[in-house]
Formats: sequence, structure tokens, C-alpha cells
Amino acid sequence: GQQLNQSPQSMFIQEGEDVSMNCTSSSIFNTWLWYKQDPGEGPVLLIALYKAGELTSNGRLTAQFGITRKDSFLNISASIPSDVGIYFCAGQLWTSYGKLTFGQGTILTVHP
Amino acid sequence: DTGVSQNPRHKITKRGQNVTFRCDPISEHNRLYWYRQTLGQGPEFLTYFQNEAQLEKSRLLSDRFSAERPKGSFSTLEIQRTEQGDSAMYLCASSLVGQKGNTIYFGEGSWLTVV
Repeated sequence: GQQLNQSPQSMFIQEGEDVSMNCTSSSIFNTWLWYKQDPGEGPVLLIALYKAGELTSNGRLTAQFGITRKDSFLNISASIPSDVGIYFCAGQLWTSYGKLTFGQGTILTVHP
Repeated sequence: DTGVSQNPRHKITKRGQNVTFRCDPISEHNRLYWYRQTLGQGPEFLTYFQNEAQLEKSRLLSDRFSAERPKGSFSTLEIQRTEQGDSAMYLCASSLVGQKGNTIYFGEGSWLTVV
């Protein structure tokens, strides 16, 4: 089945630094989504990408849908302590609408 | 709060007991999904409904699991004869078909611990 490889697995950064994480797939997706999850809570949608090559921003977050449709990245600029959490990428195919395939997550720690 | 609502948020049960979780989706959403998440992993798809029809089930959904959405609004997920391996967070999500890209929104999850 499809698998998403998300990297890095964890990051320890200083407040104010920029962060970059990415996700690659063995097969194509039609939609890429990025979620943030705090401990004990459900994933919260950050950015949704619907078209290959699309670059979308949400405040300090920027994400891109790779041209090959097999990858996506998420950048966070000027990190702050509340950015701490687990970031997940997820891919979706039109042929299986609703069935998201998730990456393993990137654990982000921000030191004040 | 008009987001996806789940209850109970936490449940501790003895092995062999039955448990039921409830999910209330975002009110105008016609699709409802159940996912399961274990520690250190991303969520895994279990099943989804469009209105009251259950359209797809994962092979992860053994015959001890049953999900219903009787009136096309709220949904329940029942686990019968629970096993320790069922311990996980059960996530409900919803979306509106026809909305751009079928964006899926998750609830806060229901933690299950089987002892």
C-alpha cells in the first residue's frame, strides 16, 4: 500500500529559527494536507494543497505541493514556543476520498 | 464550538468489556470518518460514511468493531470484547463533499485504555 515518509522525525530548535520538514510518497496524491497535533488532542488542519506546484501560506507557515505529486514540504518561519507539537503530512487520492494516508510525524521542540 | 465533537474523551475498560464512542460532526458536513491512532504513529483510516451509508471499511476494522450513523448525523463506534491491543486514540473527522478538495477536519479524539 501507499506509504508516506516524513522527515525529520524530530527537531530541536531555538525560538526565532526557521523550520523545514518534508514528506515523500512512493505514489502520487491529489491532495496534500498538513496537520499539527498537541499531546492528547486531535490533529488540527494547518494547510491544504490541491494542485501540483501549489504554494500556500498561512501566517508563518508555508507549504508546497510537489510538481511530481509525490512530495510536499512545510516551512515555519520565526518559530515561537507554541509551535511545539507533532506535525503530520497526509495525502489523499480522488479515488479514495476521505481515506487519508498519514506520515509518521515530525516532533518539533522549540527552546525559548 | 461548531467543530467535531467526541465523547467520552477518555475511557478505561477491562479486557472483554464493550465500549461505545460517539461523534457529532460539523453540522453541515455529510461525510464522517473514523481513524485510530496509537502512540508514535499517524492516524490510520478505519471507515467512513456518506450520510447514513457506510461506504468503505479498512481491514483494520475487525468484526468486533461496528460503526453506525443511523440518521446521517452523529455516529457511534462500538468495540465488543475489547482486547489490550485496542488501546489507542479513536479519532472522528468530517468533511463536506463538494467542498474544495474534500478537506477533512478532526475531533479531539477518544482515548481508550484496555486493562
